[in-house]
Amino acid sequence: GDSVTQMEGPVTLSEEAFLTINCTYTATGYPSLFWYVQYPGEGLQLLLKATKADDKGSNKGFEATYRKETTSFHLEKGSVQVSDSAVYFCALTEGAGGTSYGKLTFGQGTILTVHP
Amino acid sequence: DTAVSQTPKYLVTQMGNDKSIKCEQNLGHDTMYWYKQDSKKFLKIMFSYNNKELIINETVPNRFSPKSPDKAHLNLHINSLELGDSAVYFCASSALPPYEQYFGPGTRLTVT
Repeated sequence: GDSVTQMEGPVTLSEEAFLTINCTYTATGYPSLFWYVQYPGEGLQLLLKATKADDKGSNKGFEATYRKETTSFHLEKGSVQVSDSAVYFCALTEGAGGTSYGKLTFGQGTILTVHP
Repeated sequence: DTAVSQTPKYLVTQMGNDKSIKCEQNLGHDTMYWYKQDSKKFLKIMFSYNNKELIINETVPNRFSPKSPDKAHLNLHINSLELGDSAVYFCASSALPPYEQYFGPGTRLTVT
């Protein structure tokens, strides 16, 4: 079945440092890929998405590129802030025309802590 | 306006009790979901409904029973609660592909 693997955390960075959180996936067909963020005590928010190979999703300074050849969707940000401290989840859904009606398969989550 | 809302936010109960969690979305989406997040933050889908019809039913004990009275509501009823049911339960909804999902704030269930 489909699966998503994220880099082990937690990740601790100083403010203004460069962030990379690795994500690789296994799926049949052409899944859509997502990064969700969960701030302390809150629900999940969609951070960015990409629906086909070579698409780049971006939002709030975060970026991720859908790489089919390496089955990866790594999250990057050039300069993190204390307010970026949260849990980040990589996830996928089956592509359009599938029968899973959007079931999200999540990675295990990566805890990011940013210090001033 | 809250897009996806859940009640209650916190639920503390004893083993053996029966409890329900309610979810409502005002986004006009056709599909709604229940996810369980364990103590290690791992998220797993439990159920999904499309236009009030059950379409995804993962390996979940039959003590858990979802009900969708209309496409804006999806409730989760849990019978005979066990310690292992303690978790955060999230409701979500989505429209057409790529099924971008919107999550509720979660219900933290603690079984003592």
